[in-house]
Amino acid sequence: DVKVTQSSRYLVKRTGEKVFLECVQDMDHENMFWYRQDPGLGLRLIYFSYDVKMKEKGDIPEGYSVSREKKERFSLILESASTNQTSMYLCASSLYAARNTIYFGEGSWLTVV
Amino acid sequence: DAKTTQPNSMESNEEEPVHLPCNHSTISGTDYIHWYRQLPSQGPEYVIHGLTSNVNNRMASLAIAEDRKSSTLILHRATLRDAAVYYCILRDVNNNNDMRFGAGTRLTVKP
Repeated sequence: DVKVTQSSRYLVKRTGEKVFLECVQDMDHENMFWYRQDPGLGLRLIYFSYDVKMKEKGDIPEGYSVSREKKERFSLILESASTNQTSMYLCASSLYAARNTIYFGEGSWLTVV
Repeated sequence: DAKTTQPNSMESNEEEPVHLPCNHSTISGTDYIHWYRQLPSQGPEYVIHGLTSNVNNRMASLAIAEDRKSSTLILHRATLRDAAVYYCILRDVNNNNDMRFGAGTRLTVKP
């Protein structure tokens, strides 16, 4: 079975801290994605990557950056966490072609105080 | 913006069929239609996908309109465990990184 693993399920961070959310997939997928999910807003795409060291902005990249140094790992970085970044963050991966299934991690609940 | 529109919520009775609609009037010929669902406190999971023809799997059926501007996810016999948010998304062969999800349909199943 494909597995997408997010390193932390629950985190509490202070305003201004640098936060790293890690995501690892074990199926050699080219595409990886980071979303945030807030009540009533569905999933909003932050960044995605289609290859090592490649990244593209999604709909809400402000305040975030990403890193993909290895194919299996895609990190989301909050350079200076703010309270409005309190949310659930979801990582996903898939093979390149559009017909392929998208696999999600279980989510990371981040609270910024 | 998401390229699909879905009702915010729907209700069903247990053991009855459920038809979840999705409109995608601007669909292109290279868009695959994917459905995912999200159970409480979990990440979304794959349900089904299709291109032009209707599709069946062990979880559900996907009925695609002839003009492809709408589709319907069919749960043949809803169970309490089917209560979830259901997302319909389009995935373009030519730009398959563009994966935008809308707010989905929250399905409530009543015993």
